Amino acid sequence: GQQVMQIPQYQHVQEGEDFTTYCNSSTTLSNIQWYKQRPGGHPVFLIQLVKSGEVKKQKRLTFQFGEAKKNSSLHITATQTTDVGTYFCAGSDYGQNFVFGPGTRLSVLP
Amino acid sequence: EAQVTQNPRYLITVTGKKLTVTCSQNMNHEYMSWYRQDPGLGLRQIYYSMNVEVTDKGDVPEGYKVSRKEKRNFPLILESPSPNQTSLYFCASSLQGPDNEQFFGPGTRLTVL
Repeated sequence: GQQVMQIPQYQHVQEGEDFTTYCNSSTTLSNIQWYKQRPGGHPVFLIQLVKSGEVKKQKRLTFQFGEAKKNSSLHITATQTTDVGTYFCAGSDYGQNFVFGPGTRLSVLP
Repeated sequence: EAQVTQNPRYLITVTGKKLTVTCSQNMNHEYMSWYRQDPGLGLRQIYYSMNVEVTDKGDVPEGYKVSRKEKRNFPLILESPSPNQTSLYFCASSLQGPDNEQFFGPGTRLTVL
């Protein structure tokens, strides 16, 4: 079945450093979504990418969708303590099943 | 306020005692889904529903049941809970399907002794 992997599993950065998490799917995705979960909270939608090679920006966050629609990345420039949490990618392979990656947990040291 | 609500938020129970976790959304969403979250495994889909009276299995449906008798509610039923169902459970909804933004409830932390 469809599998979605993310690396790294954990990342500790100093405040002000950049951060990147990578997402890889075993199958071609119809679209990819990114969610953020703060400690003790629930996942919150960040963005959706649909087109091959698409790049979207939200302030300090940059999201990319690979040309083959099987991989994606989230890059945060100049991290802040408010960026702490776990970042999940998720997508469906043109079916109704929807799979989340295991997440990357980001710690930001002040 | 547009939201997804779950009850209870915390539950400690014993093996074999039937329980139901309720989920309700007030956004008139067609699609609803249940996930369980375990350390290192992320969110795994248990069941989903594309519309009223339409439900289907996700990746980890064993030991769970759901029903969708009305659009706003999507309860998760554990007929005979076992310790391996100890987990954090999230209900989510979206406008039409998984390709739309999903809105998550606050979560239910279940412990089965």
